[in-house]
Amino acid sequence: DAGVIQSPRHEVTEMGQEVTLRCKPISGHDYLFWYRQTMMRGLELLIYFNNNVPIDDSGMPEDRFSAKMPNASFSTLKIQPSEPRDSAVYFCASSPNFGQYNTIYFGEGSWLTVV
Amino acid sequence: TQLLEQSPQFLSIQEGENLTVYCNSSSVFSSLQWYRQEPGEGPVLLVTVVTGGEVKKLKRLTFQFGDARKDSSLHITAAQTGDTGLYLCAGGRGSTLGRLYFGRGTQLTVWP
Repeated sequence: DAGVIQSPRHEVTEMGQEVTLRCKPISGHDYLFWYRQTMMRGLELLIYFNNNVPIDDSGMPEDRFSAKMPNASFSTLKIQPSEPRDSAVYFCASSPNFGQYNTIYFGEGSWLTVV
Repeated sequence: TQLLEQSPQFLSIQEGENLTVYCNSSSVFSSLQWYRQEPGEGPVLLVTVVTGGEVKKLKRLTFQFGDARKDSSLHITAAQTGDTGLYLCAGGRGSTLGRLYFGRGTQLTVWP
């Protein structure tokens, strides 16, 4: 079975440019998460969706970040305009349902460098 | 401020040695998960513990959840080079996984 699929795997962009990261969750999973990982702050939850509806976006750093989930098989995380401090690995993850015994399945990440 | 502090941050050992990594907090968690992350990949769940004092074993890995549900440890017996990776603990509060708080991780390197 295919896991969580993210694209692009690597992106280098100039400050001020728009960046769009894409994610295809595992089929049948009701929950989708966007995380950001840096050396300084570790893994941080940015936003999560339940059945395509954003539930908690309190981790989104500022208005430059936006996330959408137009359908059950696709989500985007957009940064506009991008800044060097946005450089990080962005992970998309999905889970079949909510409960403390559940597994969250992570994608391989999108490595973003803003110069 | 990190809700979960992991120690040590880095650990470098020889194959065959034993090791323990720690995950500590001043807050109570309803569940605690351990993940392993290899270079260029996303974290992969190893175990979930939910009861204070709970001990779970996964082959050579032993996970323990503190009695007060504020801390956890991961012990590896006879480490192998394949154990190399970033070990992350993540705490859940309440009955859902939505607000999962991750520690910064312990980077383990096992040398042959």
